[in-house]
Amino acid sequence: EVQLVESGGGLVQPGGSLRLSCAASGFTFSSYWMHWVRQPPGKGLVWVSHINGDGTTTTYVESVKGRFTISRDNARTTVFLQMNSLRAEDTGLYYCVRGGHYNWNPFDDWGQGTLVTVSS
Amino acid sequence: QSALTQPASVSGSPGQSITISCTGTSSDVGGYNYVSWYQQHPGKAPKLIVYDVTKRPSGISDRFSGSKSGNTASLTISGLQAEDEAEYYCNSYTTTTIVVFGGGTKLTVL
Repeated sequence: EVQLVESGGGLVQPGGSLRLSCAASGFTFSSYWMHWVRQPPGKGLVWVSHINGDGTTTTYVESVKGRFTISRDNARTTVFLQMNSLRAEDTGLYYCVRGGHYNWNPFDDWGQGTLVTVSS
Repeated sequence: QSALTQPASVSGSPGQSITISCTGTSSDVGGYNYVSWYQQHPGKAPKLIVYDVTKRPSGISDRFSGSKSGNTASLTISGLQAEDEAEYYCNSYTTTTIVVFGGGTKLTVL
């Protein structure tokens, strides 16, 4: 059974930083693209970033470029999202998502999310 | 890359069929057969229900079906049931290799 467990969310002031983690199990972690998707309170889904299986390819939505960094540790089957220079509009529930073997594959499995609140 | 366009809400009575549209451009929906649909109940994580425009994951009811014409993809739910009441999102791969979601459609079963 695929399991994705996010952690690291919390309340942070504007301009601050957080590091989200997603511990994965139940599949061959290094073979899959992994994604982060966020959902602002009461709003829709927004894709944030993805990373390929060996960590050599990363992509970001325009609004987080230069502030967020996605990475992975295949030995620990964990994917991370380092978030710097946080803004109020970054507030939301952040989901860790398993993709497929290719970056165009669908989002098969979702974690339960970790809540990030950016507020003074 | 702009979000895909979905109607904010649709409704139908039990047993009826409804269709939710998802409109993009030739750089996303129209350019690739990589459109997916997700169902999200309140307080729950999204769940994949249709992928690659028309395919269903194992365990998903055949009451859910997908199609595409030009730059618009569609999700049809037939034989509406009370449990289908949820938010539905489409997404698509794009020419810039990022992923875009639609704004979401709230389905109300009357």
